[in-house]
Amino acid sequence: RKEVEQDPGPFNVPEGATVAFNCTYSNSASQSFFWYRQDCRKEPKLLMSVYSSGNEDGRFTAQLNRASQYISLLIRDSKLSDSATYLCVVNGLYSGGGADGLTFGKGTHLIIQP
Amino acid sequence: DVKVTQSSRYLVKRTGEKVFLECVQDMDHENMFWYRQDPGLGLRLIYFSYDVKMKEKGDIPEGYSVSREKKERFSLILESASTNQTSMYLCASTPPGSLNTEAFFGQGTRLTVV
Repeated sequence: RKEVEQDPGPFNVPEGATVAFNCTYSNSASQSFFWYRQDCRKEPKLLMSVYSSGNEDGRFTAQLNRASQYISLLIRDSKLSDSATYLCVVNGLYSGGGADGLTFGKGTHLIIQP
Repeated sequence: DVKVTQSSRYLVKRTGEKVFLECVQDMDHENMFWYRQDPGLGLRLIYFSYDVKMKEKGDIPEGYSVSREKKERFSLILESASTNQTSMYLCASTPPGSLNTEAFFGQGTRLTVV
């Protein structure tokens, strides 16, 4: 059965620290990968896509390791506003890789403490 | 900007009532989805639709049905609401084709069945 696994946390991190979390996926045929951010009582929103070569957007860095089937998110110089739940999303777990192939992890809860 | 709008933010219904949750998107997306999100269980796919009048079961379709009479509107129907359907319901849409596409979510409907 398709699976996307994340440590639910919570991760309690002091402001300014660097924090990283991983997500593992079960199907080596998965084709695209994303991190979404969800604030309390709000809808998920795309944070960044994850490319094979890795990518960076300001303080956020995403990496993909296909051999070990995991993706990671690194947040540098964390801010209070980074407190949220981070959802790992994988597409292509179904054989057709179609629209139904979006599979969400359960999320990692991050709390940045002043 | 893509906008996905759900008809209600909060809803309280009685056990046995027929409940309609409406979702409208304004970007001409082919693909639309209904998820429910519960603590510790993450987002679970209920139903999705590739096109008008087309629908496919997701992971947890039992107790739900859907309707897609127009491209922009995807309705979730609880034929006879039960207390275990108390949840946050999220609608999403994506354009067709690419696996690297972003999913856009509505703001969510928090349904309580009493």
